[in-house]
Amino acid sequence: NAGVTQTPKFRILKIGQSMTLQCTQDMNHNYMYWYRQDPGMGLKLIYYSVGAGITDKGEVPNGYNVSRSTTEDFPLRLELAAPSQTSVYFCASSYSRASGRAGNEQFFGPGTRLTVL
Amino acid sequence: SQKIEQNSEALNIQEGKTATLTCNYTNYSPAYLQWYRQDPGRGPVFLLLIRENEKEKRKERLKVTFDTTLKQSLFHITASQPADSATYLCALTYSSASKIIFGSGTRLSIRP
Repeated sequence: NAGVTQTPKFRILKIGQSMTLQCTQDMNHNYMYWYRQDPGMGLKLIYYSVGAGITDKGEVPNGYNVSRSTTEDFPLRLELAAPSQTSVYFCASSYSRASGRAGNEQFFGPGTRLTVL
Repeated sequence: SQKIEQNSEALNIQEGKTATLTCNYTNYSPAYLQWYRQDPGRGPVFLLLIRENEKEKRKERLKVTFDTTLKQSLFHITASQPADSATYLCALTYSSASKIIFGSGTRLSIRP
């Protein structure tokens, strides 16, 4: 299994540009998440999904959009990029409670480092 | 809202000693408490999970305790090694929720 993969690894955007961060997992996890991590800070939840067709806002959703058309993919869309969105973005996935697994221990991708100038 | 506090100052430990990291939370206790390791430039990696009805969990040189009265978890690394140097994140999961709340992490440095 490749686990959770993210593309691109690095990206520089100009203010006002848009882009999509890709995330794919091959573990058949129902739950998927997008976080951002600013230097020296913890993880802040942007959006999450408990299954295909279902998404919900996290702590810091403004300026982002997501979709979940398949179990495997959970892309994050940035519209009108701003310098405040400069950060490292992590995608994660976990088993659902229905699977019998407890605690939602999460599997993370390697991250996308985004700079908005 | 729920808050998680981890020591923001880096912890420097001599190789071979036991490193102890602290995670404190406010309000109600989570159903599960987890610890993750994060190396620079990489995503967090899951280490251990402890349930609210468990006092202690061990895995090799790692030990986690969970005290719901003190609203605190301690994470111990025994016989520490320089390779244990990383940032360690505490995370809480509530039984009614699908998501996890992460602390900001504590950076641990093990000097030879």
